[in-house]
Amino acid sequence: GAGVSQTPSNKVTEKGKYVELRCDPISGHTALYWYRQSLGQGPEFLIYFQGTGAADDSGLPNDRFFAVRPEGSVSTLKIQRTERGDSAVYLCASSLTSGNTIYFGEGSWLTVV
Amino acid sequence: GIQVEQSPPDLILQEGANSTLRCNFSDSVNNLQWFHQNPWGQLINLFYIPSGTKQNGRLSATTVATERYSLLYISSSQTTDSGVYFCAVERPDSWGKFQFGAGTQVVVTP
Repeated sequence: GAGVSQTPSNKVTEKGKYVELRCDPISGHTALYWYRQSLGQGPEFLIYFQGTGAADDSGLPNDRFFAVRPEGSVSTLKIQRTERGDSAVYLCASSLTSGNTIYFGEGSWLTVV
Repeated sequence: GIQVEQSPPDLILQEGANSTLRCNFSDSVNNLQWFHQNPWGQLINLFYIPSGTKQNGRLSATTVATERYSLLYISSSQTTDSGVYFCAVERPDSWGKFQFGAGTQVVVTP
């Protein structure tokens, strides 16, 4: 596609529920990144994929968070047993390979009530 | 981890003014990028600039990697330049893991 596409753009969920956020990177980009941004702060690294594998998942806050990229294109960020502190904008980005210019999607705004 | 400090935290400009934003980082980097986050939250890549100087229209950037800083210049500012400017760095031993600064909030008034 022309840009990085994220769905849903907005999600309101109840505490304790399971949530999936989807990212469709720019066509041909092998590197994919997930970040989280809280109000008034810079984006915070969650996980980086090179191809199908998670090259660095050191930013995932705990085992409730998990991400996959089974075919090396679309990625899904999965959050189990959501908590109010998970409320944030979840940003996906992609680049041709690592070490290149990164392009962000518009984000998925998650609110846990 | 690497520390990224941006200054100033806030900047108010009158339309037509010039400004300089600074990004200091605490360790060697192999990648540095500048972004503009518009009021709707979209992050736009401005520069990929691990070293040297680049220009794009009214914006230019310089990174002096040996001295661990980068500068973003905005000339003849316009109201559409309002938003938050972030720099992000990547360490050689942490491919793909960008550390963002806290940003500079810029408001350009007519």
